[in-house]
Order: sequence, then C-alpha cells, then structure tokens
Amino acid sequence: AQSVTQLGSHVSVSEGALVLLRCNYSSSVPPYLFWYVQYPNQGLQLLLKYTSAATLVKGINGFEAEFKKSETSFHLTKPSAHMSDAAEYFCAVSRGGYQKVTFGTGTKLQVIP
Amino acid sequence: NAGVMQNPRHLVRRRGQEARLRCSPMKGHSHVYWYRQLPEEGLKFMVYLQKENIIDESGMPKERFSAEFPKEGPSILRIQQVVRGDSAAYFCASSPRNTEDEKLFFGSGTQLSVL
Repeated sequence: AQSVTQLGSHVSVSEGALVLLRCNYSSSVPPYLFWYVQYPNQGLQLLLKYTSAATLVKGINGFEAEFKKSETSFHLTKPSAHMSDAAEYFCAVSRGGYQKVTFGTGTKLQVIP
Repeated sequence: NAGVMQNPRHLVRRRGQEARLRCSPMKGHSHVYWYRQLPEEGLKFMVYLQKENIIDESGMPKERFSAEFPKEGPSILRIQQVVRGDSAAYFCASSPRNTEDEKLFFGSGTQLSVL
C-alpha cells in the first residue's frame, strides 16, 4: 500500500525566509509523487510532480522538490517566501493506476510580514 | 476557458434529506474523480468514473452514496438521507487520460453542511 506523511500540519515562516515543507512516502515500488496547493475556497492546483526523469523537480511559483530514495522523502522548498504563498499544501503519491492517488493530510503555510 | 465546474458551492441540508452535487469536467476530459475532504484531514478518494461507467468506487461508503457520469451532462454525486457526519467539502477532479503521471484538475468544491 502507498501512503504519504506530511510532518507539521502548520508551518509559519517570515516573508523572505526559506520555505520547507516535509513529505515522506511509503511505496513498495518507485512512486510518482506530487505537490498540490490549495488556496482558500479553491480546488487543488498542481505545483510539481516527480516521475523519475530527474530527482530535483522544479514547479510553478518558484517551488521545487527533491526526490530522495534513501530517505523516502519528497520535501518541498522555496528559497524566499512571499505573502501570496500562504495556502495549504498537499503531498500525494500515485502508483497502481491514477485513481489510486493518495493525499497527505496537508500543511498550512502561514507567511508572516 | 472553463475549468472543472462544481455546483453548488455551498449546500445546506437537514438530516434525512438528499444532497446532489454536480461536476462538469474540463472540456475534453473523460475521467472524473470525486474526493471528500474532512477538517484536518487530507483528501480521501471516493470514486472514479468514465462516461457511463463506474471504474472504481472503492472509496465510497457502502450505503446512501452513489455516483454517475452519464453520456450527456455532468457527473452527479448523490447522498441520500444525509447525516451530520457527511458534512465536508466534496471535490471533483478530471483528467484527459488515466495514467499514473497524469495530473488532476480540480474544481472549487462543494461545501456540504448538514444541520
């Protein structure tokens, strides 16, 4: 069975500081991994996805994530937080057919001016 | 350039009533997924449909819940005899293909409140 664990349901950073959102996955086979962002009262939008082409994945809005097989991690980072980054972020894993996407419980990011 | 359209945005029902949630996928998308989001929880897969077919309903409660995606018209998630525990945000997503690396396009959700 596949699953993802997001460490920290709430993360606060100062504007301009590094953003680090943690995600660890569990999968018996190499997974496909995703980060989605949800702004208030909206559906989820894809930030980036890992499909084994490269371990460092760049996404939209300056976000990137690195797949580390040895650590079974896929942490999301951004060098400098912006106020508009305040949202909820979901890590997700897919294997065994797309409808089998499993989402983490989400991390709410607060950006402090 | 319409995305995934869900309506209504908010739905209030009393216990025992029926709730109907609608989802129109993006143009050209034939794969529809329904997810439920409870407070402080991630999205939970409910059902995957293609036109006129339910492909995977392993996430659907065994009773009171049903879904359809007819040849014409939107996909419908139907909840009969709602209870307070059904209160949640229900999201619909669509995709043009069903491959493991394909991304999902989400609607803005329907917030169901059961009084």
